[in-house]
Amino acid sequence: EVQLVESGGNVVRPGGSLRLSCAASGFSFDDYAMSWVRQAPGKGLEWVSGINWDGRDTGYADSVKGRFTISRDSARNSLYLQMNSLRAEDTALYYCARAWVRYFDRGMDVWGQGTTVTVSS
Amino acid sequence: EIVLTQSPASLSLSPGERATLSCRASQSVGSYLAWYQQKPGQAPRLLIYDASNRATGIPARFSGSESGTDFTLTISSLEPEDFAIYYCQQRSIRPPGLTFGGGTKVEIK
Repeated sequence: EVQLVESGGNVVRPGGSLRLSCAASGFSFDDYAMSWVRQAPGKGLEWVSGINWDGRDTGYADSVKGRFTISRDSARNSLYLQMNSLRAEDTALYYCARAWVRYFDRGMDVWGQGTTVTVSS
Repeated sequence: EIVLTQSPASLSLSPGERATLSCRASQSVGSYLAWYQQKPGQAPRLLIYDASNRATGIPARFSGSESGTDFTLTISSLEPEDFAIYYCQQRSIRPPGLTFGGGTKVEIK
């Protein structure tokens, strides 16, 4: 079964850091691009960041550029999102999602259930 | 920066009726548009990719079309499980990334 399981969400103070993880199983992780997508409470979807199949190319939404870093580890079949300088507006449910191709700028066909990040003092 | 405008924001229909959802892009980036369905408490589900291709396991009542920068998702005959929020998503080239529309909520009348 193709599966993505996120972890690492927590309550953190403004200015703090957090690292999200996504464990992939049931498919050849190295063959697919991956993305993080978030959804603030009661709001729509916002693409956060993506990484191509080989890890060489990445992309970020303007709202997180310079603060968040996406990475992947093929040995662990895992995707990560390092989140620094967190702000209240980063509060959201963060989804890990698989692209249906090797490049992240096409879309996602498999989604995890999400991990919640709350930024509050 | 590409902006995707979805209309209407909400749609109130009865089971068996036809639903027509619109997504307009602020600029053209080809046919790289996808549609997703999201139900309360669930992750999004891919319905349509590349404007008109149904994803694996998606019923034939869902179809997508395009005309220039205007994209349409049509549900030919609404089933009770189709009442949800629908999002369109487009690629951006410079810088590379993805953009979502604001969503259309399809409600039971």
